[in-house]
Amino acid sequence: ETGVTQSPTHLIKTRGQQVTLRCSSQSGHNTVSWYQQALGQGPQFIFQYYREEENGRGNFPPRFSGLQFPNYSSELNVNALELDDSALYLCASSSPTESRDTQYFGPGTRLTVL
Amino acid sequence: KQEVTQIPAALSVPEGENLVLNCSFTDSAIYNLQWFRQDPGKGLTSLLLIQSSQREQTSGRLNASLDKSSGRSTLYIAASQPGDSATYLCAVISGGFKTIFGAGTRLFVKA
Repeated sequence: ETGVTQSPTHLIKTRGQQVTLRCSSQSGHNTVSWYQQALGQGPQFIFQYYREEENGRGNFPPRFSGLQFPNYSSELNVNALELDDSALYLCASSSPTESRDTQYFGPGTRLTVL
Repeated sequence: KQEVTQIPAALSVPEGENLVLNCSFTDSAIYNLQWFRQDPGKGLTSLLLIQSSQREQTSGRLNASLDKSSGRSTLYIAASQPGDSATYLCAVISGGFKTIFGAGTRLFVKA
């Protein structure tokens, strides 16, 4: 059984650019959540996808968008990057056959915006 | 609005000491509470999950308790080791999809 994987590991962008981050959920998991973690802070919930539909959203602007594919992998897209978007982006997957809220996290993508 | 606070923000202890990390939350209507460990620059590793109907969970040297009525959880680490050095995060789950994290406690265990 493979765990949650994320790509790329690190990314450097400039202000105003767009970025796409990818997440492959753990086998059998149909729910993916995305989090932003600024340095020294706890992760902040961005949104969650369940069976390809957005299932909840945190306090993030519309330039943060996402997709979930039929194989339950997911993308996080951020448009018009700002300096404050520099953070570790984490995705987590969960399964309906376990406690729905037992989340398994990937290693994260470190995004730096210059 | 749910808020999660962790105290202390940082802790340094000698090896072998027993220690307690604290987590408090403002809204007792939670679904469950989860403790995570995070090593520098890495993702989160789940340590213990406590359902709202439970009072505690144990795994090895770790014991987590939950008191919903007072909005508190504690993570007890017995006989701490240098390998326990990491940031410990607690998270509360409300409504089945929104997870609110505390800012974490940075633990350093000195050999």
